[in-house]
Amino acid sequence: DIQMTQSPSSLSASVGDRVTITCRASQGIRNDLGWYQQKPGKAPKRLIYAASSLQSGVPSRFSGSGSGTEFTLTISSLQPEDFATYYCLQHNSYPPAFGQGTRLEIK
Amino acid sequence: EVQLVESGGGLVQPGGSLRLSCAASGFTFSSYWMSWVRQAPGKGLEWVANIKQDGSEKYYVDSVKGRFTISRDNAKNSLYLQMNSLRAEDTAVYYCARDKYGAPQPWGQGTLVTVSS
Repeated sequence: DIQMTQSPSSLSASVGDRVTITCRASQGIRNDLGWYQQKPGKAPKRLIYAASSLQSGVPSRFSGSGSGTEFTLTISSLQPEDFATYYCLQHNSYPPAFGQGTRLEIK
Repeated sequence: EVQLVESGGGLVQPGGSLRLSCAASGFTFSSYWMSWVRQAPGKGLEWVANIKQDGSEKYYVDSVKGRFTISRDNAKNSLYLQMNSLRAEDTAVYYCARDKYGAPQPWGQGTLVTVSS
């Protein structure tokens, strides 16, 4: 099974900051990776698919990059509504696997 | 608008059974893979299972193989998860989601399953 290692597990930042979250796959997954945002008590919502494609309706301050085993999610200028938990997901091979999550908190 | 509404969660004793349902609307249900994903209280997300459009292919995470069965009824636009031999570690919010190449999106609001005596 492919393991996804996400870092950091938590992050404190301020409104307007640029932040980057990383996911590393235990083996190559091409670009079969998505990024999800989850707010407390809510279902996750996908932000990025195919590693770097922006989901419809998602603000352009979110971007994704990477291929193979190293992936990043970048938020260019944090907004108050971005404080949430973020997960990566590989779906290159079964079973699909999520990273452990990154909790983004207000500094 | 795509809507996915889960139901069937609740409190069940260890070793017991429960059947979750997911009612889909706003899209052609029979054209999509569907999946279940769960989240234990205060923990991360875990993919559980998915099923092909016609039900001919099903995949499961190892921890539920032989205990959980995913199924669907395209005539009723509904997805199901039959859960048997439940354990305390199966306690979680269970989400159904539309699936494309193993990637769930969008998701329902979830239904809580609690396994406890």
